[in-house]
Amino acid sequence: DIVMTQSPDSLAVSLGERATINCRSSRSVFYTSNNKNYFAWYQQKPGQPPKLLIYWASTRESGVPDRFSGSGSGTDFTLTISSLQAEDVAVYYCQQYYSTPPTFGQGTKVEIK
Amino acid sequence: EVQVLESGGGLVQPGGSLRLSCVASGFTFSGYAMSWVRQAPGKGLEWVSGISAGGGDTYYADSVKGRFTISRDNSKNTLYLQMNSLRAEDTARYFCAKGNTGVPFGYWGQGTLVTVSS
Repeated sequence: DIVMTQSPDSLAVSLGERATINCRSSRSVFYTSNNKNYFAWYQQKPGQPPKLLIYWASTRESGVPDRFSGSGSGTDFTLTISSLQAEDVAVYYCQQYYSTPPTFGQGTKVEIK
Repeated sequence: EVQVLESGGGLVQPGGSLRLSCVASGFTFSGYAMSWVRQAPGKGLEWVSGISAGGGDTYYADSVKGRFTISRDNSKNTLYLQMNSLRAEDTARYFCAKGNTGVPFGYWGQGTLVTVSS
């Protein structure tokens, strides 16, 4: 199984400041035949199901604010919230869907400082 | 509007069985792979099982293989998870999600809570 490791486990950021979450996979999730990273980011607010934010490592899901961006390739990925808003308080999960089983990182809790 | 609605959770004794259902609407259900993902209280996300669009291919996490069975009825836009020989460690909220290996998990239901306890 591909192991996904996020860092940090939690972070507190002031409103309007940048938040950065990292995720590393134990094997590459880049598929050379179509040049795609099979990698996604999800946001889960308390009492709600996860919501897809970013897929193919850097494609923003429809309706997701442009302050959210994803980058990286192969085994190392980053989710950036350029200007943290109060409604961004949540747990964020990375995921690989390259191979079975699809696996998730342990989650990163983002709070307001 | 895409909607995914799970049902069938509840309290069951260790060794017991439950059948979860997930009714989907707002998209062409028969055209998409589907998955079950669970989340134990206060914990992270764990993929449990997936099924191809046509239902011919099924996949399981090692932790549930041989005990859980995923299936779907495309005529009813419904996904199922038959859970047998339940254990305390199966206690979790079970989410139905559109997606599986190869595609991101685009839509999730609110989940249904399964509690395994005597």
